[in-house]
Amino acid sequence: QKEVEQNSGPLSVPEGAIASLNCTYSDRGSQSFFWYRQYSGKSPELIMFIYSNGDKEDGRFTAQLNKASQYVSLLIRDSQPSDSATYLCAALNSGNTPLVFGKGTRLSVIA
Amino acid sequence: GAVVSQHPSRVICKSGTSVKIECRSLDFQATTMFWYRQFPKQSLMLMATSNEGSKATYEQGVEKDKFLINHASLTLSTLTVTSAHPEDSSFYICSAEPLGEGNTIYFGEGSWLTVV
Repeated sequence: QKEVEQNSGPLSVPEGAIASLNCTYSDRGSQSFFWYRQYSGKSPELIMFIYSNGDKEDGRFTAQLNKASQYVSLLIRDSQPSDSATYLCAALNSGNTPLVFGKGTRLSVIA
Repeated sequence: GAVVSQHPSRVICKSGTSVKIECRSLDFQATTMFWYRQFPKQSLMLMATSNEGSKATYEQGVEKDKFLINHASLTLSTLTVTSAHPEDSSFYICSAEPLGEGNTIYFGEGSWLTVV
C-alpha cells in the first residue's frame, strides 16, 4: 500500500526561525514530490515540487529529496506568522495517477 | 498560472436532494481530474479519478451510484452527490493536471457542502 507519512505536529517555531517539515514515503516508484500549504477551510496551494535528489530552493522555501532514504523535507527560512498552516506532503507515481497525500503537519509560527 | 475553478464554493441542501459541483480548468486541458473529500481536521481523501470520455474510477468504499462523476470535456468534470445526507457534509476538492505537464497538479478552491 502506498503511504506518505508525516508527523501531525503541531510544530511550533518562533518568528524568524527555520521550520523543518519532514515526510517519508513507501512507494519506491514515486517520481515526484509536492509540498502544499493548506490554511484552515481552504484548498491546498502548491508551494513547490521536487523530483531530483538534492535540494531545490525557491525564495524562503527549500525542498530536499533523498530517494535512497525515501525522505522528503521542506525548510522554511525566516518563518513568519503567516506561514502558520498545515503542510501536506504528496507523492506522485506517474502522470494521470492521483497524488498520495500525507496527513499533514500543522505548523505554528509564534510572533 | 493555471487555474482550476470550482462552483459552487458553498452550498446548503436539504437531506435527500442532489447537488452538483463543477470543476473547470480555465486555461488548460486535462484528460484526468481527481475528486477529494476532506472532513474537518482530517486529511484529503481521494474519492475518484475522473477520466474524460470514460467512466470514473472510484476508490474503495466510495459509492459510485451516490457520487456521480461526469467528465464530458477536457476542461470540465462534475461531481453530483445524489440523495445527500448530513454525513455527506464535507469539503470537496478537485484537482487537475495540465496535459503534457507531468509535475504540476492544480487544485480547485474547494466546495463546502452542508446537508441539513
